[in-house]
Amino acid sequence: GENVEQHPSTLSVQEGDSAVIKCTYSDSASNYFPWYKQELGKRPQLIIDIRSNVGEKKDQRIAVTLNKTAKHFSLHITETQPEDSAVYFCAAFNAGGTSYGKLTFGQGTILTVHP
Amino acid sequence: DAGITQSPRHKVTETGTPVTLRCHQTENHRYMYWYRQDPGHGLRLIHYSYGVKDTDKGEVSDGYSVSRSKTEDFLLTLESATSSQTSVYFCASQPWLVSEQYFGPGTRLTVT
Repeated sequence: GENVEQHPSTLSVQEGDSAVIKCTYSDSASNYFPWYKQELGKRPQLIIDIRSNVGEKKDQRIAVTLNKTAKHFSLHITETQPEDSAVYFCAAFNAGGTSYGKLTFGQGTILTVHP
Repeated sequence: DAGITQSPRHKVTETGTPVTLRCHQTENHRYMYWYRQDPGHGLRLIHYSYGVKDTDKGEVSDGYSVSRSKTEDFLLTLESATSSQTSVYFCASQPWLVSEQYFGPGTRLTVT
């Protein structure tokens, strides 16, 4: 089955700095890569996603890049703010050629932005 | 939050007792999922459903069963709860095959 590795497990930055979180996946059939943000005590919520036919996607201060050949994708947050502090999860979706599929999540990155 | 709720939100139960968690969505989403979240493990898939009465196992399905008799409801049952099943449980729904999953608020389950 799919395996998703996420690094680093913790990341501490100063407000205004950039943050980068990296993930690798194992199954080349995976074709959808979402990123979720989870604030303390809350549910995970999608912040950005990318499909396998796209190499980069940007939404204001966040961007995601995908390298299908190397099977890795990354989340980039620029001009970080204290409210960006949360746990971030990457995931890979694989339907295996069927009409149903599942997400495999990375282990999560605790991002702390210091004012 | 895509109209997805979970009940109960908190539960404390004793080892060996059966427990059922309910996930309810009002979005008519076809796909539904149950995850558990534990420190250091991220979100791990327990079971999922791709339609009414259509379910399949995830990576940590041992000790759990599910049922989906209506589009809007997905039930997770722990037949005989163990302390290792103490966790936060999230359900999620997804409208079509490759799309965002919307998560419920979570259920904190403690097995003593």
